[in-house]
Amino acid sequence: QLQLQESGPGLVKPSETLSLTCTVSGGSISSSSYYWGWIRQPPGKGLEWIGSIYYSGSTYYNPSLKSRVTISVDTSKNQFSLKLSSVTAADTAVYYCARGGFDPWGQGTLVTVSS
Amino acid sequence: QSALTQPASVSGSPGQSITISCTGTSSDVGGYNYVSWYQQHPGKAPKLMIYEVSNRPSGVPDRFSGSKSGNTASLTISGLQAEDEADYYCSSYTSSSTVVFGGGTKLTVL
Repeated sequence: QLQLQESGPGLVKPSETLSLTCTVSGGSISSSSYYWGWIRQPPGKGLEWIGSIYYSGSTYYNPSLKSRVTISVDTSKNQFSLKLSSVTAADTAVYYCARGGFDPWGQGTLVTVSS
Repeated sequence: QSALTQPASVSGSPGQSITISCTGTSSDVGGYNYVSWYQQHPGKAPKLMIYEVSNRPSGVPDRFSGSKSGNTASLTISGLQAEDEADYYCSSYTSSSTVVFGGGTKLTVL
């Protein structure tokens, strides 16, 4: 059974870079033709797609975040990662990783942007 | 890209049927059969309920069904149960090779 788990700091200072990793278990990130994505949800608000990556490295980003987002994949570790630069309080959210469009999802991790 | 439009809330009594709409444009919902629906209970990760407009993943009750007409997709839940009370989100692939979500609908089972 495929499982995804997000990891990374729960607190990031304003103007710094948020970095999260999603570890995939129960299957290979490169064994099938799936995209892998990041989605976030600010407290009390709706879902926002951040971006997706194909195992080969092709990336697609939300236009509103594109200038600050980098998603990468490490097939040797069966992981994919998110970097969001120049964060502000508006980037405080639960960050989810998920396969394809979108199933399954990780449990999510709350990242708070605060000094 | 603009979020897809969903009603903020819907409600129904146990056993009844409800429908949640998801309106986009010809560049997303209307242009592709890549509309999905997700159920989210408080404090939990979203769960895929419908993919590619009308397909149910294994394990999802057949009380859940999806459809699309023009630029509007719909999720129908029949035989409403208390456990169906949750937030529901639609999503669609877009002509820019991106994904857009709806604003979410809170379903209350009366």
